[in-house]
Amino acid sequence: QVQLQESGPGLVKPSETLSLTCTVSGGSISSYYWSWIRQPPGKGLEWIGYIYYSGSTNYNPSLKSRVTISVDTSKNQFSLKLSSVTAADTAVYYCARGGDIVATKGYFQHWGQGTLVTVSS
Amino acid sequence: DIVMTQSPDSLAVSLGERATINCKSSQSVLYSSNNKNYLAWYQQKPGQPPKLLIYWASTRESGVPDRFSGSGSGTDFTLTISSLQAEDVAVYYCQQYYSTLLYTFGQGTKLEIK
Repeated sequence: QVQLQESGPGLVKPSETLSLTCTVSGGSISSYYWSWIRQPPGKGLEWIGYIYYSGSTNYNPSLKSRVTISVDTSKNQFSLKLSSVTAADTAVYYCARGGDIVATKGYFQHWGQGTLVTVSS
Repeated sequence: DIVMTQSPDSLAVSLGERATINCKSSQSVLYSSNNKNYLAWYQQKPGQPPKLLIYWASTRESGVPDRFSGSGSGTDFTLTISSLQAEDVAVYYCQQYYSTLLYTFGQGTKLEIK
């Protein structure tokens, strides 16, 4: 059974860069699409972007200028960097697995437990 | 952007009764080349990540009880719980994955026991 686990700082200062890593266990990171999704406290879900194991990416246009998603297949990990953060970026950040083909990449069968990142000085 | 709008925002249903949640997309999510609706439903309980219930608008994910069903096509979709159980209390989200430029979710529907 595939498991995903987010890790990274729970507190980030305004204007700094948020960095998170998702470690995949119980399966290979290869051949799948991997996404980051966030949820501000008490609010709904926002897709941030995805990366294919080969390294191709697609980002939410509203965040594109600040987001970088990368993959390290040797470690079975993928990562998120979000620059110039503000309080509006405070959220639970989830990593999630999409499908293995283009048609199925956009729905998410497996999710991490999520990690709360607070932006505050 | 494809805007997903769910109704109602909250819903209280008696145990054993039917619960119905609606989701409307601002444009069709039916892909004509394969005749599939790019629409998924998720269940989120407090303190937990969302759980995939339904994809392709009506295909139940493995392990999901058959009291959960999805229907609809084009721009109008419905999630139905045929006989509400206590463990179904949660927030439910629809999501379109038709637009690969931007996947979007509905605002969520909170389901409670009456």
